[in-house]
Amino acid sequence: AQTVTQSQPEMSVQEAETVTLSCTYDTSENNYYLFWYKQPPSRQMILVIRQEAYKQQNATENRFSVNFQKAAKSFSLKISDSQLGDTAMYFCAFMKPSNNAGNMLTFGGGTRLMVKP
Amino acid sequence: EAQVTQNPRYLITVTGKKLTVTCSQNMNHEYMSWYRQDPGLGLRQIYYSMNVEVTDKGDVPEGYKVSRKEKRNFPLILESPSPNQTSLYFCASSLFSGASGELFFGEGSRLTVL
Repeated sequence: AQTVTQSQPEMSVQEAETVTLSCTYDTSENNYYLFWYKQPPSRQMILVIRQEAYKQQNATENRFSVNFQKAAKSFSLKISDSQLGDTAMYFCAFMKPSNNAGNMLTFGGGTRLMVKP
Repeated sequence: EAQVTQNPRYLITVTGKKLTVTCSQNMNHEYMSWYRQDPGLGLRQIYYSMNVEVTDKGDVPEGYKVSRKEKRNFPLILESPSPNQTSLYFCASSLFSGASGELFFGEGSRLTVL
């Protein structure tokens, strides 16, 4: 079974600065996907960024980028130029694609990020 | 607008009183699933469905039932709720399984069992 660990329950950052959220995972699989989801106070789960394990290039989406270290099983999220709207709970998630078992995501425990003005 | 709709959004009930949380998606997705979110544990999968009349257990299925009689609907049934089922519940869907089909989440249903 896969496990996902987020070692930082809470973090804070000043507006306009950069922050990095950590995530490690454990799997014996070679082909899988990793995700970061954002959950603002509205509770909606919003996909921030996705990384395919077979791709060496780190994914980037505007101010959000990842540092994917496959050998170390590490998948950190960097938020540049932090904005007040980035205040949310962030979840790291792992998915092993399967035609038989569906798209089950295994989530970490979450990191609560507060962006301070 | 493409969306996953859950109802009710909030519910307070008592132990043993059967309840159903409905989930409906308008994207013609084959795959649907239910998760529960608890502090420090993230989201954990309860049940999933690959298509109509095809359902299977996730990581934490005890105390729950589901059905998939129509492609768009995937209700979560608590036959005899207990306080340990107090949680935030999410329904999610995707176009197909076996690939990186993005999961679309509903807005969540907060359930309190007294």
